[in-house]
Amino acid sequence: QSALTQPASVSGSPGQSITISCTGTSSDVGGYNYVSWYQQHPGRAPKLMIYDVSSRPSGVSNRFSGSKSGNTASLTISGLQAEDEADYYCSSYTGSSTYVVFGGGTKLTVL
Amino acid sequence: QVQLQESGPGLVKPSETLSLTCTVSGASISSYYWSWIRQPPGKGLEWIGYVYYTGTTNYNPSLKSRVTMSVDTSKNQFSLRLSSVTAADTAVYYCAREASSSSSNFDYWGQGTLVTVSS
Repeated sequence: QSALTQPASVSGSPGQSITISCTGTSSDVGGYNYVSWYQQHPGRAPKLMIYDVSSRPSGVSNRFSGSKSGNTASLTISGLQAEDEADYYCSSYTGSSTYVVFGGGTKLTVL
Repeated sequence: QVQLQESGPGLVKPSETLSLTCTVSGASISSYYWSWIRQPPGKGLEWIGYVYYTGTTNYNPSLKSRVTMSVDTSKNQFSLRLSSVTAADTAVYYCAREASSSSSNFDYWGQGTLVTVSS
């Protein structure tokens, strides 16, 4: 069982927007602005898409955005494209000996 | 361009020790925190631990008794040793750079190496 809870799957049609949630506790997501999101295509390493809740690394499309409310962080992808189909993982700093926890992952299907 | 490359045996026998090395190019290992993260087949990600260039380490409590990490600044490499492995340790092992301390912000990853524990 993962420390952070994500929906197992979400889907959307090209051009639509989707949101993936990531629920933790006040000891991780709710306690720090250190939530990251990763995209992983099959057989590939994860790729950082969002860090510090809502910041985008250079080169990541502005169709990807992040936010947080209380103990739940969210990743929104607007203008869905076929290439967005992948697994998405959230992570959070914990401030404890556990240090970093990940969500169980969400499979995004572009219909 | 920062690149990380894992290397080591792809097959380890039960009860033996898994040993992997990550070679960093395009950046000095004498900065940042360097982590190992694993992913069992078909499952999610698990942080194993980090090592800093000074040798400071921090391990996931669930693996702490079996994990040792070290750094070789002269070779720009860091390493992972996981002892007493079982089939549950079968996974793709990634090395990754944490962009800033205590952030969960892993900005560069190796391609990953599959380690299978089997006799």
